[in-house]
Amino acid sequence: ELKVEQNPLFLSMQEGKNYTIYCNYSTTSDRLYWYRQDPGKSLESLFVLLSNGAVKQEGRLMASLDTKARLSTLHITAAVHDLSATYFCAVGTDKLIFGTGTRLQVFP
Amino acid sequence: SAVISQKPSRDICQRGTSLTIQCQVDSQVTMMFWYRQQPGQSLTLIATANQGSEATYESGFVIDKFPISRPNLTFSTLTVSNMSPEDSSIYLCSVEAPFGPFGSGTRLTVV
Repeated sequence: ELKVEQNPLFLSMQEGKNYTIYCNYSTTSDRLYWYRQDPGKSLESLFVLLSNGAVKQEGRLMASLDTKARLSTLHITAAVHDLSATYFCAVGTDKLIFGTGTRLQVFP
Repeated sequence: SAVISQKPSRDICQRGTSLTIQCQVDSQVTMMFWYRQQPGQSLTLIATANQGSEATYESGFVIDKFPISRPNLTFSTLTVSNMSPEDSSIYLCSVEAPFGPFGSGTRLTVV
C-alpha cells in the first residue's frame, strides 16, 4: 500500500528565510505532484514531476524529485507572507495518494 | 486542462439525511475521483468513478454510505447517506491525471 509522508507538519518561518518541505513515499511511482491549499479553498496545482532528477521552479518555490530515494522536496526561497498556506504532495499514476500536508505560516 | 464545476459549495444538513454533490466537467474524461478532507486533515480518496461501470471504493468506504453515479463522461455525483456529524468534511472531485484539477469543494456540516 502506497504511503506518503511529509515533514514538517507545521512550519512557521520569518519572511526572507529559506526552508525545505520533504515528501517521502513508500513505493515506486513515476509521478509526483505538489499542491497548495488556502484556508477554505480547494487545491491549486503547483508542480508535476515526472522523472528522476526533475526540477521545476515557479517564483520562490522549487520542487525536485529523487525517485531512487522516493523523495521529493519543495524549497522555499526568501519566503513572503503570500506563501502562507498548506502544501500537499501527492503520488500516483491512476489515482493520487496525498501526503499529510505542511501548514506554512510566514510572519514578518 | 479541464474545468470542473462542483455544487453545492456548502451545506448544513440534519443527521440522518442524505446530500448529493455534483461535479460537471467541461470536457470528456475517463476517470473521476472523489476525495474527503476532514477538518485539519489531508485528502483521502473515497472512490474512482468510471463511466459505464461501478465505482471502485477505497478501503474504509462503502457504496451504501457513499453511492456514486457516473452517467456520462462529463458528470458524476457523490451521495453522502444517512449522515452523522462525523461526515462533516470537505468533499472534492477531481479528474484523471496528469495534473488533474480539483473542483471547488463542498463544505458539509452535519448537525
